[in-house]
Amino acid sequence: DAGVIQSPRHEVTEMGQEVTLRCKPISGHDYLFWYRQTMMRGLELLIYFNNNVPIDDSGMPEDRFSAKMPNASFSTLKIQPSEPRDSAVYFCASSLGGAAPNQPQHFGDGTRLSIL
Amino acid sequence: GEDVEQSLFLSVREGDSSVINCTYTDSSSTYLYWYKQEPGAGLQLLTYIFSNMDMKQDQRLTVLLNKKDKHLSLRIADTQTGDSAIYFCAEGNNQGGKLIFGQGTELSVKP
Repeated sequence: DAGVIQSPRHEVTEMGQEVTLRCKPISGHDYLFWYRQTMMRGLELLIYFNNNVPIDDSGMPEDRFSAKMPNASFSTLKIQPSEPRDSAVYFCASSLGGAAPNQPQHFGDGTRLSIL
Repeated sequence: GEDVEQSLFLSVREGDSSVINCTYTDSSSTYLYWYKQEPGAGLQLLTYIFSNMDMKQDQRLTVLLNKKDKHLSLRIADTQTGDSAIYFCAEGNNQGGKLIFGQGTELSVKP
């Protein structure tokens, strides 16, 4: 079975540009999570969705960040305008039915974002 | 609020045991997890323990939970170079799928 698929794997762009990160969750999973990982702050939950509806976006750092889930098989995380401090690895994860041990979060391989 | 703390680094020799420690604050945690992150990859679930258990063993992995002290540990027996990775502790409950992750412990295994 295909896991969580993220694209692109790497993105390098100049500050001020719009960045769009994409995620395809595992088919049938009803929860989708976006995380950011940096050396300084570790792994941070940015936002998560249940059945395509945003449930908790309290981790979104500022209004420059937005996330959408137009359908059960696709989500985007957008940064506009981007800044060098947004450089990080962004992970998408999906799960079935919430936080239960037999329904763990499955992570994609991440998008490594560098803002120059 | 909820918080999960881990030490950042651990270095061991191949064949030794590794013990990675974690403390958490949320007394309503139902499940506690250990995830492993290899270089360039996402996190993968290693093992988990219910909050009403004290210990769980899974091959080379032993998870110990002290609920009174809110302390969780992961012991890896006969540590191999392939165990070198970042290990994340996480807590969760039945409320909506959200997990709280620690900062991760980078395990370095020297031959």
